Amino acid sequence: DADVTQTPRNRITKTGKRIMLECSQTKGHDRMYWYRQDPGLGLQLIYYSFDVKDINKGEISDGYSVSRQAQAKFSLSLESAIPNQTALYFCATSERRDRDAQFFGPGTRLTVL
Amino acid sequence: DAKTTQPPSMDCAEGRAANLPCNHSTISGNEYVYWYRQIHSQGPQYIIHGLKNNETNEMASLIITEDRKSSTLILPHATLRDTAVYYCIVRVNNNDMRFGAGTRLTVKP
Repeated sequence: DADVTQTPRNRITKTGKRIMLECSQTKGHDRMYWYRQDPGLGLQLIYYSFDVKDINKGEISDGYSVSRQAQAKFSLSLESAIPNQTALYFCATSERRDRDAQFFGPGTRLTVL
Repeated sequence: DAKTTQPPSMDCAEGRAANLPCNHSTISGNEYVYWYRQIHSQGPQYIIHGLKNNETNEMASLIITEDRKSSTLILPHATLRDTAVYYCIVRVNNNDMRFGAGTRLTVKP
């Protein structure tokens, strides 16, 4: 089942281009997250949103921005892509309690040339 | 500083139980232990979590020591499809999910 979907699944772009990655969920969860994963490493939190009006920076927010358009949609933008932003990007969602588990989308593979 | 320590890799025979250890000696009283796995480059998959008591679901069992300084994830009958990187995470808040390098489990026929 595709409770959390991400588009596009793969993207190749050039340095300096603006890129938007989109995440949609049908789980009805309040909280949404964006992570990046570099080859062979664990995930790092970029931004998170606990509800539509609440946006927070994560560990590595520089060079990224986000928009929470609705409860079900959370977009990640790279205003001017650079090669070291080449990575796998994952969106995740969770319910409202801090101990609730996060559920991840399938990921977007982004390559910046 | 890393909150958890896991072996980098483990092997398991198909059909046998896979026991994946995790040390979290600095865990605080309100931190939960979570386990996720990532198959190839797919999105991490939630497996199980617990605070103090042992937990079991349809995927796995989680055994937490009485002092809570370590835990073990048990896959009771490993299959080839369980080959993945397994991450042990301790946290209080949902904005504090720190993924380390995990344990690469290889299930062999």
